[in-house]
Amino acid sequence: GENVEQHPSTLSVQEGDSAVIKCTYSDSASNYFPWYKQELGKRPQLIIDIRSNVGEKKDQRIAVTLNKTAKHFSLHITETQPEDSAVYFCAPREDTGRRALTFGSGTRLQVQP
Amino acid sequence: SAVISQKPSRDICQRGTSLTIQCQVDSQVTMMFWYRQQPGQSLTLIATANQGSEATYESGFVIDKFPISRPNLTFSTLTVSNMSPEDSSIYLCSVESDGNTIYFGEGSWLTVV
Repeated sequence: GENVEQHPSTLSVQEGDSAVIKCTYSDSASNYFPWYKQELGKRPQLIIDIRSNVGEKKDQRIAVTLNKTAKHFSLHITETQPEDSAVYFCAPREDTGRRALTFGSGTRLQVQP
Repeated sequence: SAVISQKPSRDICQRGTSLTIQCQVDSQVTMMFWYRQQPGQSLTLIATANQGSEATYESGFVIDKFPISRPNLTFSTLTVSNMSPEDSSIYLCSVESDGNTIYFGEGSWLTVV
């Protein structure tokens, strides 16, 4: 099965700084790479995703980069704001067969005002 | 996007009892997934439920403990049987919609006393 490692487990930044979270996976068949944000007491919400035929995708302050050869993808948040404080999960998936997400262990991001 | 309703949203249960969680989706979906999130932890897949077939359980989860029904394309139930305090968790229903995107219900927060 898929092994997913996510680093760091906690990240504290000053408001306005950038944050980067890295996710490493094991299954070379994975071809869909989403990031979820979970605020305290809430459900996980998809914030950005990328497919294996694309190296980078950006949506305003959020970007995801993929290195399929090295089997890792990263979440980049620029100009962080206090409302970015949450737990972030990577969850790579193979589009055929199992189709379920395998979640990383999560990164708790704290943005200090 | 899919709108997913889960019931109950929260419950306190006596050990040894069973509780059934319902998941209703506003559109027909092929695949539904049940996840467990223990306090402060990541999400772990319990099983995949497809309409018209037996649920597929992940390693460490068995049908006797977590029976699942999937009577149609918009509804599923997960039962947590013979509960113990270790079953205190958030149970999340999720569905695949809009091609590849996986959406989550609000979760059912169970505390076993």
